[in-house]
Amino acid sequence: DGGITQSPKYLFRKEGQNVTLSCEQNLNHDAMYWYRQDPGQGLRLIYYSQIVNDFQKGDIAEGYSVSREKKESFPLTVTSAQKNPTAFYLCASSLRTGGSTDTQYFGPGTRLTVL
Amino acid sequence: GQQVMQIPQYQHVQEGEDFTTYCNSSTTLSNIQWYKQRPGGHPVFLIQLVKSGEVKKQKRLTFQFGEAKKNSSLHITATQTTDVGTYFCAATNFGNEKLTFGTGTRLTIIP
Repeated sequence: DGGITQSPKYLFRKEGQNVTLSCEQNLNHDAMYWYRQDPGQGLRLIYYSQIVNDFQKGDIAEGYSVSREKKESFPLTVTSAQKNPTAFYLCASSLRTGGSTDTQYFGPGTRLTVL
Repeated sequence: GQQVMQIPQYQHVQEGEDFTTYCNSSTTLSNIQWYKQRPGGHPVFLIQLVKSGEVKKQKRLTFQFGEAKKNSSLHITATQTTDVGTYFCAATNFGNEKLTFGTGTRLTIIP
């Protein structure tokens, strides 16, 4: 059963703590993305990766870090430097990037709340 | 960076009425995609438009790409309760591989 999984679905953390959100895909997609969604706003790109061991900053990368050691996995770390981390985080993947943009397939999301 | 404006932000319609959401950019777009996000869910791809003036239909949904490739619209005919959700446009412009999402239009259906 192919798709994208994100865990956990809900996550609570204390202020000042780092937390890592998981994203795994078995679609054999090259590109993976992390978005942040706040109420009443669209999706804002945090980081994206087109290939293993390579990634680029998106529009709101400050306070976040990622790694892409495996094609299937693209974890996102929300660091204590992120001033307003409470949000809905969505991971997505696509077959490739460049030229005609391919469809992005989204995971179910992780809702992070900072207490 | 590129900005994609989407209007309206909210739309409440009686069941059976039509609904339209608009997406506008100040720059020429290479293509535009539309996604639907149900309440509590994640965005799901609906369609992609690439050609100037392109029109595509999916049952009651009609998607248009402007002649100048700077705007797009999604029109739903005779809305149903299953149409509830937020509709996002997402675009790329030439030389930029990233998708930029609009702010979305949240559709509510009044039974």
